[in-house]
Amino acid sequence: KAGVTQTPRYLIKTRGQQVTLSCSPISGHRSVSWYQQTPGQGLQFLFEYFSETQRNKGNFPGRFSGRQFSNSRSEMNVSTLELGDSALYLCASSLHGQGSGNTIYFGEGSWLTVV
Amino acid sequence: DQQVKQNSPSLSVQEGRISILNCDYTNSMFDYFLWYKKYPAEGPTFLISISSIKDKNEDGRFTVFLNKSAKHLSLHIVPSQPGDSAVYFCAASGQGGSEKLVFGKGTKLTVNP
Repeated sequence: KAGVTQTPRYLIKTRGQQVTLSCSPISGHRSVSWYQQTPGQGLQFLFEYFSETQRNKGNFPGRFSGRQFSNSRSEMNVSTLELGDSALYLCASSLHGQGSGNTIYFGEGSWLTVV
Repeated sequence: DQQVKQNSPSLSVQEGRISILNCDYTNSMFDYFLWYKKYPAEGPTFLISISSIKDKNEDGRFTVFLNKSAKHLSLHIVPSQPGDSAVYFCAASGQGGSEKLVFGKGTKLTVNP
């Protein structure tokens, strides 16, 4: 069974540009969550989508957005990139979401460097 | 406010000995706890979980203990192996508005040969 797939794995962008990252969840999983990891900050929750609807949102500015398609694939977008957006962006999927009793499974991540 | 805390940023143990990683939480609505292992440049890998109706769960060399009254859980790795060297994240979720999975900042475990 294929795991969570994220593309691209690595990318470099310039300040002010925008970026779109893609995530294909495990087959049958309807929940997709996005996290940002920076050194010393652990895993910061961005948002969760379930059946094409945003169900939960973390404390990130509106420059960070996402969406989920009918096949459960998800994209996240960061507009007007800042140097501080350089991070590993992780996608995770689960059957029912993040609540009690659910396990989420991560992809390999997309490394974004903003220069 | 950090709801899940891993107070030790790093831990070093000898191969073959026990590794104990600790995690504290503050939200009493949390009732499901997970541990993930993360190697550099890779996504976190699910290790083991425990529900609040239990106080212990084992899977091979990995055992998680939960002390609900102290709001504390720990991950024991016995025996530790060099391949266990990674960052370990504790995470918690619950019900009633606490459905969002909350992660600690991680503990970097180094197992020395």
